[in-house]
Amino acid sequence: GAGVSQTPSNKVTEKGKYVELRCDPISGHTALYWYRQSLGQGPEFLIYFQGTGAADDSGLPNDRFFAVRPEGSVSTLKIQRTERGDSAVYLCASSLWGQNLMSTDTQYFGPGTRLTVL
Amino acid sequence: KNQVEQSPQSLIILEGKNCTLQCNYTVSPFSNLRWYKQDTGRGPVSLTIMTFSENTKSNGRYTATLDADTKQSSLHITASQLSDSASYICVVSARNTGGFKTIFGAGTRLFVKA
Repeated sequence: GAGVSQTPSNKVTEKGKYVELRCDPISGHTALYWYRQSLGQGPEFLIYFQGTGAADDSGLPNDRFFAVRPEGSVSTLKIQRTERGDSAVYLCASSLWGQNLMSTDTQYFGPGTRLTVL
Repeated sequence: KNQVEQSPQSLIILEGKNCTLQCNYTVSPFSNLRWYKQDTGRGPVSLTIMTFSENTKSNGRYTATLDADTKQSSLHITASQLSDSASYICVVSARNTGGFKTIFGAGTRLFVKA
C-alpha cells in the first residue's frame, strides 16, 4: 500500500467547530501539498511543504487554516471555527523532490477528505 | 492574471471514438504543463507533463500537444473506452521569485457511452 492516504475519508461537522485532516504521504517523498476542490472545479492550491517547513503557504485562505508537518512525513491540516464555505474535498499530494527543486516532479494524490460543514 | 481555461466543460462520446480536449492558458513565465485524469471520488492521476521545448507527449492512448507560442495545449484520446469517463484537468506551472506557482483548470468532464 504505497500510495498517499488521507483520513478521514468523510468528515461532517457543525459550523464553528474545529477539524483536523490527516495526510500520510508516500514514504520517502520530501514534498507534500494540500489542495481544496469544490464541486465541478479543479483543485485550488493551499500549502506546500518541503520537508518540515512550509515552502509556500500563499494559498491558505485566512488564518483559520493552518497546516503542520513536524517530522517531514505525516501532515495535518487544521481548520478552526469552520464555516459552511469550507465544505469541499481536501486533497493531499506528495512528490519525491518538490516543485521548487525539480519543476517537473510528479505529484501523487490521495483520495481526499470530503468535509461538510452544516 | 494567471489563468487556465479548459474546453469543453463536458463531452459525451461513444465508446471507440476519438476526442480532443483543449486548454488555453495565460500563465507566465511558463514552466511546464501537465494533464491529469481524475475519476469520480478519487485524486487526480498524472497523464503527461511537457516543458517549454516539448510539443507532443504520449502516454498510451493519450497524446498531449503544446504550442507555447499560442499558449494552447490539447489532450487527444484515441479509441475511447468506458474507463476513460472522468474529469481531465490541465495544470500549468509558472516560475516566480519564491519558486513555482501551479494553476489548475476547472477540468473537462468526459462521458464515454457504450
